[in-house]
Amino acid sequence: RKEVEQDPGPFNVPEGATVAFNCTYSNSASQSFFWYRQDCRKEPKLLMSVYSSGNEDGRFTAQLNRASQYISLLIRDSKLSDSATYLCVVPSNTGKLIFGQGTTLQVKP
Amino acid sequence: EPEVTQTPSHQVTQMGQEVILRCVPISNHLYFYWYRQILGQKVEFLVSFYNNEISEKSEIFDDQFSVERPDGSNFTLKIRSTKLEDSAMYFCASSEASANLGETQYFGPGTRLLVL
Repeated sequence: RKEVEQDPGPFNVPEGATVAFNCTYSNSASQSFFWYRQDCRKEPKLLMSVYSSGNEDGRFTAQLNRASQYISLLIRDSKLSDSATYLCVVPSNTGKLIFGQGTTLQVKP
Repeated sequence: EPEVTQTPSHQVTQMGQEVILRCVPISNHLYFYWYRQILGQKVEFLVSFYNNEISEKSEIFDDQFSVERPDGSNFTLKIRSTKLEDSAMYFCASSEASANLGETQYFGPGTRLLVL
């Protein structure tokens, strides 16, 4: 299994749709997880941290399933401005960040 | 809001030349990192730095690479003799504590390096 694996997409959805991204990770000892957002040719920016079973912030919900080593990100009521690449990120035991390939979302009017 | 800054935003160099990429991390942060992203690929870890020394480096970070924190605010990445395959976006990041403890790493805007 790859260290962090994501479906690269692209996901093309209409405005207002609900969309979910999945991520699997290989290190069963990982304790914290992150979703970052990356716009084209820009730096990754933290979207959400996930420590326990999940986290919710407005339209965004992240869920963690430790038994399956699986993290998801749900976006409700998609906006045009949500169009970006969503990066699943898992810290190693030493603190370096291990990035997935990213899932590209395109929200269309 | 405090942020990580990087200079230059773009750098074009000839193969074999030395380049220095500069970063100013967030002032109260103690952990510093360099990552790179080749166009179309995922973000990859290069090196982490804590307490004035390298704490971890990846296979990419060979003898051609070095890092320095010369004056307590700047954090630099030097590539001694650039290769074509060094062309990438280089991101600096910093954090208050280690990410494996749940601490967030904040990224600078990046330096886009093009080696000709």
